[in-house]
Amino acid sequence: AQSVTQLDSHVSVSEGTPVLLRCNYSSSYSPSLFWYVQHPNKGLQLLLKYTSAATLVKGINGFEAEFKKSETSFHLTKPSAHMSDAAEYFCVVSRGGGFKTIFGAGTRLFVKA
Amino acid sequence: KAGVTQTPRYLIKTRGQQVTLSCSPISGHRSVSWYQQTPGQGLQFLFEYFSETQRNKGNFPGRFSGRQFSNSRSEMNVSTLELGDSALYLCASSSDLDRGRYGYTFGSGTRLTVV
Repeated sequence: AQSVTQLDSHVSVSEGTPVLLRCNYSSSYSPSLFWYVQHPNKGLQLLLKYTSAATLVKGINGFEAEFKKSETSFHLTKPSAHMSDAAEYFCVVSRGGGFKTIFGAGTRLFVKA
Repeated sequence: KAGVTQTPRYLIKTRGQQVTLSCSPISGHRSVSWYQQTPGQGLQFLFEYFSETQRNKGNFPGRFSGRQFSNSRSEMNVSTLELGDSALYLCASSSDLDRGRYGYTFGSGTRLTVV
């Protein structure tokens, strides 16, 4: 069985400060892990993915995430937040096949000027 | 290449009516998955189509159905609409090699409001 838990429903940061969005997962198999971003009234855009290669994954817009098997975590970070980063972020675990793709509940990121 | 296209973007329907939503995946992608997104339930898997066959189905009532055509375009249909069907319906496409293992490309969604 697979599950994913996003530890914060809301995160608020000031522009220019670091971003940390936390995600823990559970999987009986070797999972693929993803972070997606969703801006209001838009679909989800893939930020980055881990598929059993390098454990530190770099994505678009300066985001990166580190796969830590011992901690079953896949936290998303960015060194310096920008106003345009304000959105909802989803951590996702997948084995492939739609029904085996599990979405976290989402973390809404607020960026203050 | 063109992205995933969902039509229409917005719909308002009355309880009891039925609705059909359309999704055109990325050219060459044969896997199309549908998700329902609501504030209370988050993203929930509806079904997945691959090469015109439904491969997997989520826990939704039989009022929700879908199909896929030979050109990989997919439609989903909801009959006898209920207020609780108001949601953003998202379509996601992936290549036939991974079916989501390497990530999906999502459309912008169809916002359905049932009144």
